[in-house]
Amino acid sequence: AQSVSQHNHHVILSEAASLELGCNYSYGGTVNLFWYVQYPGQHLQLLLKYFSGDPLVKGIKGFEAEFIKSKFSFNLRKPSVQWSDTAEYFCAVIYLDSNYQLIWGAGTKLIIKP
Amino acid sequence: GAGVSQSPRYKVAKRGQDVALRCDPISGHVSLFWYQQALGQGPEFLTYFQNEAQLDKSGLPSDRFFAERPEGSVSTLKIQRTQQEDSAVYLCASSLEGTGGYGYTFGSGTRLTVV
Repeated sequence: AQSVSQHNHHVILSEAASLELGCNYSYGGTVNLFWYVQYPGQHLQLLLKYFSGDPLVKGIKGFEAEFIKSKFSFNLRKPSVQWSDTAEYFCAVIYLDSNYQLIWGAGTKLIIKP
Repeated sequence: GAGVSQSPRYKVAKRGQDVALRCDPISGHVSLFWYQQALGQGPEFLTYFQNEAQLDKSGLPSDRFFAERPEGSVSTLKIQRTQQEDSAVYLCASSLEGTGGYGYTFGSGTRLTVV
């Protein structure tokens, strides 16, 4: 079955620390990959997406993600986090050979200590 | 409009009450999706419209859930005889084209609490 796994449910970091959130998806052919962020009390917002081309994609607010096809991974990174990055982060995948549904990971709650 | 608008933002319903949740997608967006997001979990697919046609309702958890989009723009998700397990955030998302391959724009959601 198509699935998306996010390795950590909760991550706590200090400001200026580096961040890497893991995301793996099950094999299912060609995929489009997304990271969404949900700030407290706000709606889901697109951080970045990968469709094709350069596997290192840059998104808003200094985030980037790398698609590693051989590992079925799309990890999210940021070199130096800020308190305002406190939010929940969701990885999501569309399997293009299958259907139009976004398959979601369970989310990672990120807390940045000031 | 500039984004996807959902109303009400919060809804408290007594168990057994019927509720209706509204979604105004981005003008011109063909696809509209409803998701249910329980606390601490990712969104779960409920149903999908392409214009006014409901192409997939496989995610609706029971026949108490009903969605419509009669004119291909505004959509309403109706839940009859609400139960406590229906408490969740209901998210609406729209997409410009049919497959959602360019991502979705989400509304702020409606937080439903059934007491």
